[in-house]
Amino acid sequence: QKEVEQDPGPLSVPEGAIVSLNCTYSNSAFQYFMWYRQYSRKGPELLMYTYSSGNKEDGRFTAQVDKSSKYISLFIRDSQPSDSATYLCAMVYNNNDMRFGAGTRLTVKP
Amino acid sequence: DSGVTQTPKHLITATGQRVTLRCSPRSGDLSVYWYQQSLDQGLQFLIQYYNGEERAKGNILERFSAQQFPDLHSELNLSSLELGDSALYFCASSVSGTTDTQYFGPGTRLTVL
Repeated sequence: QKEVEQDPGPLSVPEGAIVSLNCTYSNSAFQYFMWYRQYSRKGPELLMYTYSSGNKEDGRFTAQVDKSSKYISLFIRDSQPSDSATYLCAMVYNNNDMRFGAGTRLTVKP
Repeated sequence: DSGVTQTPKHLITATGQRVTLRCSPRSGDLSVYWYQQSLDQGLQFLIQYYNGEERAKGNILERFSAQQFPDLHSELNLSSLELGDSALYFCASSVSGTTDTQYFGPGTRLTVL
């Protein structure tokens, strides 16, 4: 079993839809949780990070962490074609040991 | 633009060869991280340097090595290259030695023929 599981998709939604991206993990020692967005042929770009259970909102993006279920989510409201990218979850333990999910490829169709 | 620069953008070489990838972190960042991204393995953490010293090691092969220089730029050396080393190699930087705010460079695409 991988430490971090993420459905690779692909996921295709119409413009304006609410998108839900998810990761599960097995290591309860993970301390920080992040979401990265990666456009084709570009480096990952940090979208959000959090270290506690609950929700964190930033514009159209909401990151949700449920440590008891070892489950994290990223919600995108009012999705736009410019949101089309691969989304990677990432988790950190021991302050500098990082694990990434496989990434979910999202396409938002106009 | 994250402020992290990587050179070269593309590199094509043959099996058995050695290459060096270069990374300049964002101004003020002391930590540099190296990652490998391939289709079958996803994004894999290789190694981290903080202010010139090795801080953490991930899934880095013995054929690979890295260093961070006094001006904080870093180099990743890959030797005895194999076909399976073909991948995107990313460098990221952060202010501190923790990994909660890493900024990634554009990557170097390595093709081993």
